[in-house]
Amino acid sequence: DARVTQTPRDKVTEMGQEVTMRCQPILGHNTVFWYRQTMMQGLELLAYFRNRAPLDDSGMPKDRFSAEMPDATLATLKIQPSEPRDSAVYFCASGWDRGMNTGELFFGEGSRLTVL
Amino acid sequence: DAKTTQPTSMDCAEGRAANLPCNHSTISGNEYVYWYRQIHSQGPQYIIHGLKNNETNEMASLIITEDRKSSTLILPHATLRDTAVYYCIVRVAGGGGRGGSNYKLTFGKGTLLTVNP
Repeated sequence: DARVTQTPRDKVTEMGQEVTMRCQPILGHNTVFWYRQTMMQGLELLAYFRNRAPLDDSGMPKDRFSAEMPDATLATLKIQPSEPRDSAVYFCASGWDRGMNTGELFFGEGSRLTVL
Repeated sequence: DAKTTQPTSMDCAEGRAANLPCNHSTISGNEYVYWYRQIHSQGPQYIIHGLKNNETNEMASLIITEDRKSSTLILPHATLRDTAVYYCIVRVAGGGGRGGSNYKLTFGKGTLLTVNP
């Protein structure tokens, strides 16, 4: 089965350290989304891409978060420096935009980040 | 995107139909209704979506009222593995637009469905 792959699955780090999370979207998909989930806020959209171009990253704290797609098979979400409030599960999702009826996204298993 | 209202939680007996309601009274004519679910510790999973007509797939059925202001997701024979948070989302079909804003899929709090043995 084709699936979205995220690494690492779990990451524990100390405040101030750089964290990079990686996502391999499903081959052939042209949209990629990054979500963050916490108990308090639920699922929050951080950023998304279409055909590797960033469309909206308004959900991200700009001073410390950055999202990129170096190529069609890799999306990255970087936090530098990390803070305890960044502790959450980060989900990557991909989909195929045909111009109509988009909205079926395939999510990865998530990267659980704990910042001490 | 239009806002949706769902009950916080529901219970269902195993083997019975689970009917999950969703209100979206401000839905626009070009907005679809999507349902996703999230089983504990997993990523959300797409279930079904529709515009006006009722839809059915191998997972569930989606019933949309004629005025499109509400919908019901039906799991015909709920199993213990269907225990999850179910999200109802309304979203414009298609992408593009200025800034690509139509691509956003915004999740609310959802309904925690607990299927009991």
